[in-house]
Amino acid sequence: AQSVTQLDSQVPVFEEAPVELRCNYSSSVSVYLFWYVQYPNQGLQLLLKYLSGSTLVKGINGFEAEFNKSQTSFHLRKPSVHISDTAEYFCAVSDRDTNAGKSTFGDGTTLTVKP
Amino acid sequence: DTAVSQTPKYLVTQMGNDKSIKCEQNLGHDTMYWYKQDSKKFLKIMFSYNNKELIINETVPNRFSPKSPDKAHLNLHINSLELGDSAVYFCASSWGGQGADTGELFFGEGSRLTVL
Repeated sequence: AQSVTQLDSQVPVFEEAPVELRCNYSSSVSVYLFWYVQYPNQGLQLLLKYLSGSTLVKGINGFEAEFNKSQTSFHLRKPSVHISDTAEYFCAVSDRDTNAGKSTFGDGTTLTVKP
Repeated sequence: DTAVSQTPKYLVTQMGNDKSIKCEQNLGHDTMYWYKQDSKKFLKIMFSYNNKELIINETVPNRFSPKSPDKAHLNLHINSLELGDSAVYFCASSWGGQGADTGELFFGEGSRLTVL
């Protein structure tokens, strides 16, 4: 079984400041990792994903994440946030080998960017 | 052209009523899902179908019945609605091909159900 822990439920930050949203996972098998963003009153959309290869993954809107296998983490970062980045962010993990289509989600982190 | 579309976007109904939500995807994916998002934004998988076959059925009351008439459609029917059913229900799809599905999900816009 897999689990995902998003370490911060809320992250307030000022515009143009850097931000890190933390995600740890546990799994007994190899995994794929994802970050999704949900803007107010919208569905989730993929920000970025780690499937294999380079551990530093770049996504849309200037976000990036680093896969750290030894620490079982997949933290999301952005060097300078905008007001428009205010949203809910979800980390998710799926099993590479079996039930690959079933993703387990973290509880979400609310990012609030203040002017 | 919307990839995953679900209707209706909003439902407001009384306790005890029955309601349905429909979902369609035009991505050519084999697998479709229903997720429930509660008021705290927690996301929980409810059901998953692969090419019309039920493959995931989490602990969900049997008042909830999914139906997949073909691999591009997945509907959710809810009987005898209760206050606790109030939530946003998301339809999603993924590639679903054997050995090729990474689990990347494509979501609809959600259907907000309010039970009074």
